[in-house]
This record gives sequence, C-alpha cells and structure tokens, in this order.
Amino acid sequence: AQSVTQLDSQVPVFEEAPVELRCNYSSSVSVYLFWYVQYPNQGLQLLLKYLSGSTLVKGINGFEAEFNKSQTSFHLRKPSVHISDTAEYFCAVTANDDKIIFGKGTRLHILP
Amino acid sequence: EAQVTQNPRYLITVTGKKLTVTCSQNMNHEYMSWYRQDPGLGLRQIYYSMNVEVTDKGDVPEGYKVSRKEKRNFPLILESPSPNQTSLYFCASSLSAGYSNTGELFFGEGSRLTVL
Repeated sequence: AQSVTQLDSQVPVFEEAPVELRCNYSSSVSVYLFWYVQYPNQGLQLLLKYLSGSTLVKGINGFEAEFNKSQTSFHLRKPSVHISDTAEYFCAVTANDDKIIFGKGTRLHILP
Repeated sequence: EAQVTQNPRYLITVTGKKLTVTCSQNMNHEYMSWYRQDPGLGLRQIYYSMNVEVTDKGDVPEGYKVSRKEKRNFPLILESPSPNQTSLYFCASSLSAGYSNTGELFFGEGSRLTVL
C-alpha cells in the first residue's frame, strides 16, 4: 500500500520569497504523484502531476515539482510567491490499486 | 462547463435527522468518491464507486451510505447524523481509477455540514 507524508503542516513565507513544500511517499510499485491546491472556501484543484518521463514537472501559477525516486520525494517549489498563493496544498499518490492517497496538507501563509 | 456539483453547500441539522448530500458530474466519469476534510486530518475517503452499481467503503465509512444508480450521480446519505459528522465534505470524480488512468480527480466545491 502507498502512503504520503507532508512534513510541514504550516509554512509561513514572505511575499516574493521562494518556497518549498515537502512531500515524501512510500510505495513498492511505480506511482503517479500529484499536487492539489485548495484556495479558501473552494474545492481542490490539480496543480501539477508526475506520470512518467521528465522528473521536473511544471504546473499552473508558476509552481513546479521534482520527482526524486531514490529519495521517494516530490517536493513542490515556487521561486517567488504572491499573496494569491495563500492556500492549502495537498500531495497525493496513486498506483495500480485504484486508490488515491492524500497527505494531510500544508497551509501556505504569505506574509506581507 | 465540466464540473462536479454538490448540494447543499451549507447545512445545519440536528442529531438523528436523516439528510442527503447530492453530487452530480457532467464529464461521464466512471469513478466517483466522497471525502471528508477535518482540521489536522486532511482528506479521508468515505466511500467510492468504480462504476454504476459498484460501491465500496473507504477509510471512514461508519455512519454513511451511498448509492450509484446512475453514472452521473453519487449521493451521500447520513441516516442518523451525529455531531462527530460535522465536517466539510467533498465529492470528486475521475475518468476511471487505477494505474491506467492519470488519476486526476475533479472536486466539487464542498458541503459544510454542522450537526447539533
């Protein structure tokens, strides 16, 4: 079975500073990896996904993530955050057992 | 517009009064699922459905029922709600489930339920 760990429950960052949200997974088989974003009072929407191929994946709103198989990580990064990036971010994994497993989420707080 | 629609968005009810949260998708998706979101616990799956007439328990199914009589609809039923079911509920759908699919889920906007 797969599992996902988001190492930080909250991350405060100053506006225009870079940010990294950490995600580690465990699985005995090949996986697909996702980052979802939940803006205040909204549902989740897909930010980016890794299916195969290039380990650096680019998503919407300037975010990117790097799949690192040896470290079983899929950290999310943005070089310069904006106040509109205030949201909760969820890492998720799925494999060949039909379940999508979500991490507990990381709240990104943008400080002025 | 492709979407997952949940109703009601907000509901306050009392213990024991049966309620149904509806979910409908217009993308012809086979897979549908219900989650609850609670502070510090993230998203937990309640029930899911691989296709019409096929449903299965998720991680926290106690106190809930579902049905999948049509492909587009997947209602969540609370037969006798209790205060510990106060939560934010999300319905989601996907083209299919498993490794053969990209696994991308499309979410509704959520239904905030308070049980007094």
